[in-house]
Amino acid sequence: NAGVTQTPKFQVLKTGQSMTLQCAQDMNHNSMYWYRQDPGMGLRLIYYSASEGTTDKGEVPNGYNVSRLNKREFSLRLESAAPSQTSVYFCASKLLAGGYEQYFGPGTRLTVT
Amino acid sequence: EDKVVQSPLSLVVHEGDTVTLNCSYEVTNFRSLLWYKQEKKAPTFLFMLTSSGIEKKSGRLSSILDKKELFSILNITATQTGDSAVYLCAVPVGGGGNKLTFGTGTQLKVEL
Repeated sequence: NAGVTQTPKFQVLKTGQSMTLQCAQDMNHNSMYWYRQDPGMGLRLIYYSASEGTTDKGEVPNGYNVSRLNKREFSLRLESAAPSQTSVYFCASKLLAGGYEQYFGPGTRLTVT
Repeated sequence: EDKVVQSPLSLVVHEGDTVTLNCSYEVTNFRSLLWYKQEKKAPTFLFMLTSSGIEKKSGRLSSILDKKELFSILNITATQTGDSAVYLCAVPVGGGGNKLTFGTGTQLKVEL
């Protein structure tokens, strides 16, 4: 089991460029999440998908869109990148029923210049 | 508003010391409290303390939940350099507790 995988690991964008961050999990989890982590700010939820076919905004959704492609995959899109979106992005997943623990991917370090 | 506050922000200790990390919370409908360890990469799950669980132990790590005073502590005894990490505390929020609100973490550095 690979767990939660993310691509790419690193990315540099210029302001205004677009890109999609990919996330996949092989644990048969129902719920998937996108977080950003900035120094001194902890992990902040961008969007989540409680189950296949649903998506909801988190704490900091502005400037992002998501797609739950199927049960395994959840992508995050930046349509027009801004320097304020420079961050480390983590994807996570969990079972819908059961415990509350989420399992995280290795992260994508994004720099917007 | 649901809130999680961790202290201290950072801590430097020597190998063999015992450390105590603090997490206080305010949440509308308390379900449980989770601790994660984050080294260079992804946060990894350590403990979950539920409304019925007071203390969890795993080797040199232990955690206590005080539901009356709304806080939890994470103790690490006989610290090792491999314990150096950011320790995050989180609580489930929202309908069904399907989201987590995280504290900003405590950066622990263990020196030789």
